[in-house]
Amino acid sequence: DTGVSQNPRHKITKRGQNVTFRCDPISEHNRLYWYRQTLGQGPEFLTYFQNEAQLEKSRLLSDRFSAERPKGSFSTLEIQRTEQGDSAMYLCASSFTRGEAGELFFGEGSRLTVL
Amino acid sequence: GQQVMQIPQYQHVQEGEDFTTYCNSSTTLSNIQWYKQRPGGHPVFLIQLVKSGEVKKQKRLTFQFGEAKKNSSLHITATQTTDVGTYFCAGFHPTSGTYKYIFGTGTRLKVLA
Repeated sequence: DTGVSQNPRHKITKRGQNVTFRCDPISEHNRLYWYRQTLGQGPEFLTYFQNEAQLEKSRLLSDRFSAERPKGSFSTLEIQRTEQGDSAMYLCASSFTRGEAGELFFGEGSRLTVL
Repeated sequence: GQQVMQIPQYQHVQEGEDFTTYCNSSTTLSNIQWYKQRPGGHPVFLIQLVKSGEVKKQKRLTFQFGEAKKNSSLHITATQTTDVGTYFCAGFHPTSGTYKYIFGTGTRLKVLA
């Protein structure tokens, strides 16, 4: 499979629980992005990595959110003490570029429902 | 902060009619990308524009980047039912020093057969 893979595809959790999403980018893609999308809205930037370095984080990424990309390959997004407002589709995207902008390849997303 | 707005928010057209969505940024962009998201799907890249005033065509789709690099448009000629979906523009600020893509609010297109 040569696409961006995200797991799990769906997660239902109770408020206050922790959840973790995983993203496997396209092999050799050096940039990896996390976005959040709610119904009827555009993707909202959360964070991005260049290789293993996290270069920018949105202010939306509160202390309850953390993302990692160890070894510059797969990435995880963890949400601690989930709140109902965290319910959304979490999209991962990757790209391969050398200094310039490149197209983003999105995964199918991980849908989070917080009860 | 940087904002990217799109109009209209929704558009219903009869099959065969033309469609245009407009993308406006509060700040100058380095480039503009366009994505299409089918209902229940994920965004899929369509095209990237880099130069001021650039115009690109893909079959029935025409993309334009404004002279000031703050706005863009996507025009579809003779829409088909396969054009249904939400169209997003995305770009990043040239002085931000990062490649943080900001997505527009999107235009949802419905095509009536």
